[in-house]
Amino acid sequence: GAVVSQHPSRVICKSGTSVKIECRSLDFQATTMFWYRQFPKKSLMLMATSNEGSKATYEQGVEKDKFLINHASLTLSTLTVTSAHPEDSSFYICSASGGPDTEAFFGQGTRLTVV
Amino acid sequence: AQSVTQPDIHITVSEGASLELRCNYSYGATPYLFWYVQSPGQGLQLLLKYFSGDTLVQGIKGFEAEFKRSQSSFNLRKPSVHWSDAAEYFCAVGVYYGQNFVFGPGTRLSVLP
Repeated sequence: GAVVSQHPSRVICKSGTSVKIECRSLDFQATTMFWYRQFPKKSLMLMATSNEGSKATYEQGVEKDKFLINHASLTLSTLTVTSAHPEDSSFYICSASGGPDTEAFFGQGTRLTVV
Repeated sequence: AQSVTQPDIHITVSEGASLELRCNYSYGATPYLFWYVQSPGQGLQLLLKYFSGDTLVQGIKGFEAEFKRSQSSFNLRKPSVHWSDAAEYFCAVGVYYGQNFVFGPGTRLSVLP
């Protein structure tokens, strides 16, 4: 399958700071990227869908001003957690798709810890 | 709305025993169905997927799953479990297989030596 790389794999940040997570499709052009969040011992919940060159579509209950998503190119989407707080600590994982009729592939995830 | 249920939160089996993890879905159209495995602290690895055709799907690591439309089920099976299979298993429905997924709550598998 295609390769999706997420960076960093782990990050610790201080409360009140912002942290950026990158999601890259390494060997295909990703017209659509998805961001999921996984709470401890819970399943994955879709946060938002981003299409290249467009504003992201956020799921209900997800604060768009806290979780800024940028999909400026066909191989890169970023999730910025702004003014992070301990409750934002979680496992964030992205997936990327080459289009509506092509399979989506997952990155390896980012463990965010806010102290 | 789409939904996925995995009735078993935690299953423990002995190494060498057979395994079946249950998955039921609710979706108005023909579903795209997936099974993923997640080791602690790791990302998701695709085990197998069903889009159409043969309802018995073979995956990696000796896993297989059977799609039963009448029961809205997509149960995962393995004839002989290895200690390295201990992990969290997620069943998912793809709205379109290139689009977003709805995940089940997951089943944690423990393997006894």
